[in-house]
Amino acid sequence: SQQGEEDPQALSIQEGENATMNCSYKTSINNLQWYRQNSGRGLVHLILIRSNEREKHSGRLRVTLDTSKKSSSLLITASRAADTASYFCATDAKAAGNKLTFGGGTRVLVKP
Amino acid sequence: NAGVTQTPKFQVLKTGQSMTLQCAQDMNHNSMYWYRQDPGMGLRLIYYSASEGTTDKGEVPNGYNVSRLNKREFSLRLESAAPSQTSVYFCASSFQGNGEKLFFGSGTQLSVL
Repeated sequence: SQQGEEDPQALSIQEGENATMNCSYKTSINNLQWYRQNSGRGLVHLILIRSNEREKHSGRLRVTLDTSKKSSSLLITASRAADTASYFCATDAKAAGNKLTFGGGTRVLVKP
Repeated sequence: NAGVTQTPKFQVLKTGQSMTLQCAQDMNHNSMYWYRQDPGMGLRLIYYSASEGTTDKGEVPNGYNVSRLNKREFSLRLESAAPSQTSVYFCASSFQGNGEKLFFGSGTQLSVL
């Protein structure tokens, strides 16, 4: 069963614009992580936010977490063509035996 | 620094054939995982190994077996492949497990005809 559900499923933007994607989950979590997957490649870890944190930054990435709404968002600012990829949220929840559970992903296309 | 290495990258099997997917990590990680990725389904955990000598079932273990050969290597075996096992398989590792960030291999694309 999928703990995290990303929205939208796909996103197309122009280079330089911001990209925002959301992740909703069902049960209490210890942390939430975001990963990027380029076409035909493995997933790469981007950022981890713990349940007691509300916002975290890493370069052009900004992640927020709202545990009351059981949701997180990933914002990519000033997008580049190289940001074209699929983005996945993954939750670490006690209910899942502290094993990461991944959502279905958001496909982002950044047009030059 | 190779990270997580998976072999093979591509494989085509006929229904009923068997094969083993190999995975090795050189980061001295204790925990290793096998996921499968299907369109629109995200990644689903097949089996994991929290530490050398232990293995446990994940969300979708049916039709698979695993071996944690040593701390570096974790293999996934399909004893009698079925078309439903057509998927992309990823191996991953983490230092201690328990919700830490994962390091992924580049995947094996498997087709079962």
